[in-house]
Amino acid sequence: DTAVSQTPKYLVTQMGNDKSIKCEQNLGHDTMYWYKQDSKKFLKIMFSYNNKELIINETVPNRFSPKSPDKAHLNLHINSLELGDSAVYFCASSPLAGVFSGNTIYFGEGSWLTVV
Amino acid sequence: GEDVEQSLFLSVREGDSSVINCTYTDSSSTYLYWYKQEPGAGLQLLTYIFSNMDMKQDQRLTVLLNKKDKHLSLRIADTQTGDSAIYFCAESQAGTALIFGKGTTLSVSS
Repeated sequence: DTAVSQTPKYLVTQMGNDKSIKCEQNLGHDTMYWYKQDSKKFLKIMFSYNNKELIINETVPNRFSPKSPDKAHLNLHINSLELGDSAVYFCASSPLAGVFSGNTIYFGEGSWLTVV
Repeated sequence: GEDVEQSLFLSVREGDSSVINCTYTDSSSTYLYWYKQEPGAGLQLLTYIFSNMDMKQDQRLTVLLNKKDKHLSLRIADTQTGDSAIYFCAESQAGTALIFGKGTTLSVSS
């Protein structure tokens, strides 16, 4: 069973469209994250939710809106897609908020978004 | 600029040892991590070290931490072709999120 699953794995879409990436974790974790990996492979935190509440909101265009209907799901909606949004988006989860021993962060397989 | 620095590429022969280096800037980081990313896959946690430790060994992996110089290294003994991947160093800042380096691409030739 996949611990952190995200869909779709690949998405090609035109500029200006609105798209969503869904993420689900079946680990019973309280905290979920979205990371963005750009074309140079650099990984950066975008958002973090703890038990459905937003706790980290890095400087990200407000075209990106995370939504957490319950603590097992954290979806990422992107409005008015731009070429620069092309990247790999990783969902992740951890038992608790904060990074400390035993609080391992588990990553999904990634969603490859290409905006044309 | 990024807070965590790594060299971008490393090429070794199968059976040799690989050493991937990383420097970080936040002296308050309490945990430092190594993640592995295989082509087209997600991130897999390899190991982590607490900042009051100098060394941690886990099978073929050895992590060395020089807190004074803010230098972290990952040594892979007897490197295999299956070890070819991108290796990310990461530090915990403010205990809330991981800050990643740009990753080191390890290429293992047979």
